[in-house]
Amino acid sequence: KQEVTQIPAALSVPEGENLVLNCSFTDSAIYNLQWFRQDPGKGLTSLLLIQSSQREQTSGRLNASLDKSSGRSTLYIAASQPGDSATYLCAVEGSGYALNFGKGTSLLVTP
Amino acid sequence: SAVISQKPSRDICQRGTSLTIQCQVDSQVTMMFWYRQQPGQSLTLIATANQGSEATYESGFVIDKFPISRPNLTFSTLTVSNMSPEDSSIYLCSVGGAPGANVLTFGAGSRLTVL
Repeated sequence: KQEVTQIPAALSVPEGENLVLNCSFTDSAIYNLQWFRQDPGKGLTSLLLIQSSQREQTSGRLNASLDKSSGRSTLYIAASQPGDSATYLCAVEGSGYALNFGKGTSLLVTP
Repeated sequence: SAVISQKPSRDICQRGTSLTIQCQVDSQVTMMFWYRQQPGQSLTLIATANQGSEATYESGFVIDKFPISRPNLTFSTLTVSNMSPEDSSIYLCSVGGAPGANVLTFGAGSRLTVL
């Protein structure tokens, strides 16, 4: 059974810092890995999708990497802003369409 | 990407009652999924809602407790039956295309509190 772990569980940083969120998974047989952002009352927003054949994806200040063989992904956020405060979820898609989610990293960026 | 509307956004329910959550999509989609997020936990897939046939349930979830309907390609409902406080969760509807190919879109979720 796929297990997805996210570290740290919570993170507080001052505005402007660069930060890294970590995700690990136990079964490397995945189709893709996605990073989501969850805001209270607003559901989940997909940030980046990395196919199993890719090593990284970038969108604005966000960069996600994938090392499938070691079962790891990182989400790098550059020049963090208070608006980045949210819970960040990592999810991997394996066989049968299901997404397996980590518990998330709760990020607080202080002005 | 598809826009998903979920109703209700939140509700407080009494033990032993049932509640139906609706998920409406603004375009036809192949795949619709229902997830549960218990307090402090990750999202867990309940079932895949199949159009015109019974839903496919994940291990630990059964049709009697979580009956699902999918009458067409834009709408689905999830019922949480005979609720107990342990059912207090956020329930999310999600839609996507072919497995491994498309980004999944999620609704805002329905936060249920069972007293």
